[in-house]
Amino acid sequence: DAKTTQPNSMESNEEEPVHLPCNHSTISGTDYIHWYRQLPSQGPEYVIHGLTSNVNNRMASLAIAEDRKSSTLILHRATLRDAAVYYCILRATGGGNKLTFGTGTQLKVEL
Amino acid sequence: GAGVSQSPSNKVTEKGKDVELRCDPISGHTALYWYRQSLGQGLEFLIYFQGNSAPDKSGLPSDRFSAERTGGSVSTLTIQRTQQEDSAVYLCASSLGRQGSTEAFFGQGTRLTVV
Repeated sequence: DAKTTQPNSMESNEEEPVHLPCNHSTISGTDYIHWYRQLPSQGPEYVIHGLTSNVNNRMASLAIAEDRKSSTLILHRATLRDAAVYYCILRATGGGNKLTFGTGTQLKVEL
Repeated sequence: GAGVSQSPSNKVTEKGKDVELRCDPISGHTALYWYRQSLGQGLEFLIYFQGNSAPDKSGLPSDRFSAERTGGSVSTLTIQRTQQEDSAVYLCASSLGRQGSTEAFFGQGTRLTVV
C-alpha cells in the first residue's frame, strides 16, 4: 500500500477552521484518498473520501492537490467534539484493499 | 441493524482460556475486516473476508488466532490459549465492497483483557 505522512498533532481553537494535511507522494492513479477519525474510546469513523476532485459533505471538505500527491481535510468550524485522531488512508480500486492505518494526527481543540 | 455490532463489548478471561469475539456487519456488506488496537497504539490489520472467503489473513499474529464468516454475514474471531499480550480492543469493520470508492464502517469494538 502506498504510504501517507501526517503531522503527529495539531491544535485548534473552537469555532475556527482546521486544515489537516496529508502527503501521499507515491499515490497511484487508482487510489482513493480516505479520511477516518477516532474519538477517544470509540471505533474509527468514516469522514470523507475522494479521487481527484474536491469533495464536501456534512462533516468536512476534502481538498486534493492537482498532482494528487497531497490532500487536506478541512473542518470548517472545529468543536470540542472534533478532538480525535484523524487518519489519512489510501484505498486501491482493486484487490482486498484493507485499510492500512498509520499513526494519524491527534487534533486538540481548545476553548 | 443500523451499524456494525460487536459482542461482547468487554471480555475478561484467564490466561490459557479460549475466547470468541463476534461481529455482525451491516446487512449487504460483502467485505469484512478485523483489526486490533493495543492501548495507546494504532490499528493493526488482522484478516479480511470477501463473502465467506478470507483472501488476506496476513495480519493474524499466530496460529492461536482464527476467524470464520458464515452466510456472508456474521464473523467470529477465535483466540485459543489466550496470552496477556492478546489484551487489546478488537475492532470489526464492514464495507459494501472491496472497491477503493467504498467506505468502511467500524463497530465499537470488544475490549479483551487477559488476566
